[in-house]
Amino acid sequence: GQQLNQSPQSMFIQEGEDVSMNCTSSSIFNTWLWYKQDPGEGPVLLIALYKAGELTSNGRLTAQFGITRKDSFLNISASIPSDVGIYFCAGQPLKGGKLIFGQGTELSVKP
Amino acid sequence: DSGVTQTPKHLITATGQRVTLRCSPRSGDLSVYWYQQSLDQGLQFLIQYYNGEERAKGNILERFSAQQFPDLHSELNLSSLELGDSALYFCASSVASSRNYGYTFGSGTRLTVV
Repeated sequence: GQQLNQSPQSMFIQEGEDVSMNCTSSSIFNTWLWYKQDPGEGPVLLIALYKAGELTSNGRLTAQFGITRKDSFLNISASIPSDVGIYFCAGQPLKGGKLIFGQGTELSVKP
Repeated sequence: DSGVTQTPKHLITATGQRVTLRCSPRSGDLSVYWYQQSLDQGLQFLIQYYNGEERAKGNILERFSAQQFPDLHSELNLSSLELGDSALYFCASSVASSRNYGYTFGSGTRLTVV
């Protein structure tokens, strides 16, 4: 089935550093979403993107819908310990249907 | 509270047994999705229901089955359990709309098979 390539798989950073992760697809998506999963909890929606080139911020988080419609990135600025968790990208293919999820990026922040 | 309710939160059972996981979607959401997340793994899509009917199927084992009832709650049945079935099982729901607003996830059921 269709897959998203999410990278990196894991990141270990120092508190205060900026973080960047991305997702790519071999086909065009019409929606990109970014979720965060805290340990032992369900994923929570952070940012939703609906137009190519769209850049959206949510506090220290910024995400962009790539202009080719085949990729998206998420940046976290000035990381803090509570940013720890797994970040998932998700996209909806142009033809519709269920969301396709990336494999996740596990973020660890050292105080 | 996301509005998606999953019960039980934790379940410990022996190999060979059968369990039922329950999900109540967010009010107004017609679609329910089930996902399995094993340790250090991503979200593996199992099955989707929309307004009582199966809409999409993922890598769901034949030992697993699900249904969505008229009141829109859903149950995931896991039978002949094996050690490898130990995982977090998530239910998510979504509203029917021309724009995809994403899925709302429950807090999951942690299944441990011993």
